[in-house]
Amino acid sequence: GNSVTQMEGPVTLSEEAFLTINCTYTATGYPSLFWYVQYPGEGLQLLLKATKADDKGSNKGFEATYRKETTSFHLEKGSVQVSDSAVYFCALTNTGTASKLTFGTGTRLQVTL
Amino acid sequence: DTAVSQTPKYLVTQMGNDKSIKCEQNLGHDTMYWYKQDSKKFLKIMFSYNNKELIINETVPNRFSPKSPDKAHLNLHINSLELGDSAVYFCASSQNFEQFFGPGTRLTVL
Repeated sequence: GNSVTQMEGPVTLSEEAFLTINCTYTATGYPSLFWYVQYPGEGLQLLLKATKADDKGSNKGFEATYRKETTSFHLEKGSVQVSDSAVYFCALTNTGTASKLTFGTGTRLQVTL
Repeated sequence: DTAVSQTPKYLVTQMGNDKSIKCEQNLGHDTMYWYKQDSKKFLKIMFSYNNKELIINETVPNRFSPKSPDKAHLNLHINSLELGDSAVYFCASSQNFEQFFGPGTRLTVL
């Protein structure tokens, strides 16, 4: 079956530091990969996505590249802000009707001044 | 306009009660989902409906019964609530492979 493994949190960084959150996956076929973000007290928002190997998803300064050879989709940001403090979820789905998302365990990011 | 909405936002109830959570999407999507997020933030699929038809049922206790009166609505009814049902329940909808989530319903069973 499908599975997603994320690095354990929490991750605590100072503002303007470089962020990497590791994500690796196991899946059949050619899944689509996602990063979702959950701000405190809110629902999940799609941050970025990639649908095929070597695609790079990017949004709000965050980037992740779909690496089929290493089955990874690491999230990076060059300079984090306090407002980036949230829980980040890596997820995958096999395309098709009603495909479910398989989530990683989430990584809490805390950015301090 | 809210794309995926859920009511109520908070639900506090006693063990053994029956409760419902409602979800509506105005995106015109064919597929809707219920996910459960536990106290450690772990998210897991519960159900999926496509055009009012049950597609995914992830070994959820049969105390949980989803109902889809039409393509835009997917409600979740829970019978005989237990302490372990306390969680945040998220509704989502999708067209193709991208899913859009509602704001969540925090259920607390006392």
